[in-house]
Formats: sequence, C-alpha cells, structure tokens
Amino acid sequence: NAGVTQTPKFQVLKTGQSMTLQCAQDMNHEYMSWYRQDPGMGLRLIHYSVGAGITDQGEVPNGYNVSRSTTEDFPLRLLSAAPSQTSVYFCASSDPRGLGETQYFGPGTRLLVL
Amino acid sequence: KNEVEQSPQNLTAQEGEFITINCSYSVGISALHWLQQHPGGGIVSLFMLSSGKKKHGRLIATINIQEKHSSLHITASHPRDSAVYICAVSRADDKIIFGKGTRLHILP
Repeated sequence: NAGVTQTPKFQVLKTGQSMTLQCAQDMNHEYMSWYRQDPGMGLRLIHYSVGAGITDQGEVPNGYNVSRSTTEDFPLRLLSAAPSQTSVYFCASSDPRGLGETQYFGPGTRLLVL
Repeated sequence: KNEVEQSPQNLTAQEGEFITINCSYSVGISALHWLQQHPGGGIVSLFMLSSGKKKHGRLIATINIQEKHSSLHITASHPRDSAVYICAVSRADDKIIFGKGTRLHILP
C-alpha cells in the first residue's frame, strides 16, 4: 500500500491563480480530511469527508473547495490564491470514521503564494 | 480559549530523562490522539485513546476522561525522540481539533 499520497510536494503561485492539491489513499478509508499548518497555529481543519459524495466544512474553509467523487481521492481546490493561503497542507484518512480511529497523514504540500 | 491546550510548548531534556507532555481539552470527545511530527515534517500517529492507558515501546499515553486530561510519557528518552508532539481530539461532529504541539529536544 502507498498509504496517503499528496501532489505536488511544493508549489509557488501568484495571487489570483487557481490550483488543485491532490490527495489519494489506497486503504479504502471512508474518512478523509485536509488540514493546514501554520507557525504557532497548529494544524487546522479545512474540509473533511465521511464518505464518497459527502463533504463538510472545518474550522477554516474560506477560499477552498473540495469534492469526493470516489473513496480514493479528495482534491482540495484553491479558487483564487491569496498570500494568506501560504502554508503547509496535509491530507489525512482513517477508517471507518475520524471519530476514534488512527489517522494516516500524507507527506504534505508546501504552498507559497506570492 | 483553545479547545485543546498542550504544555509545555517547548521542552529540552538530557538523554535518559523521563519526559511528560500534557494535554487538556474542553469539549466532549470520542477519542484523543497523540501524533509525532518529525523535523522533516512528516506526521505519524502514535496513539488513539478513548480510555485508560496504552503503551508502545518507550511511549506511554494515558487519559482521564473525567478530568479531560491526557499525558504522553517517554521513558529513557533518546535524541531520536526529538520532534513535535501533537495532541488532537475527535469531536462527536466528526471534526478533529489539534493542540499547537510541544517541541521536544533531547540532548545527547
């Protein structure tokens, strides 16, 4: 198993550009989530999904969209990048729910918005 | 006030010392997680607890549901234990909330 994979590892964007951060898992996990990590802030939940076709907002959803058309994939879209979205983004999954199961994290995507 | 508070924020100790990191939370939870973030940035799940105590090698995690408190202990600490240790709680609404982490540095 590859576990949780994220692409790209690193990205530089200009303000106003859009992009999609990819996340995939091959463990058939129902629960997937996106976090951002900023210095002094800890990890914060952006969006999460408890299964294919179901998504919901976390603590800091503004400026981000998600979809979950398959169990395996959970892409995060930045519609119009802003410097405030400069951060490290982690995707995670767990089975069957996030309520009480071990979380598996991807390696992270480092995003710089100029 | 943050829903999950960790202490200390930073900890430096000598190799071999017994380490304790504390986590307090203010919401109802279904589980508590301890995570380790390596200097390279990767995050690994160490423990998931809903009650009592768990042990894995030199690491021990305890939780007191009534007091809304958990501790992570490291026995016979080693420089390779240097990392950021993060406490997180799973709320009943499917959301996971994280503490800000404890940066541990073990000196040889």
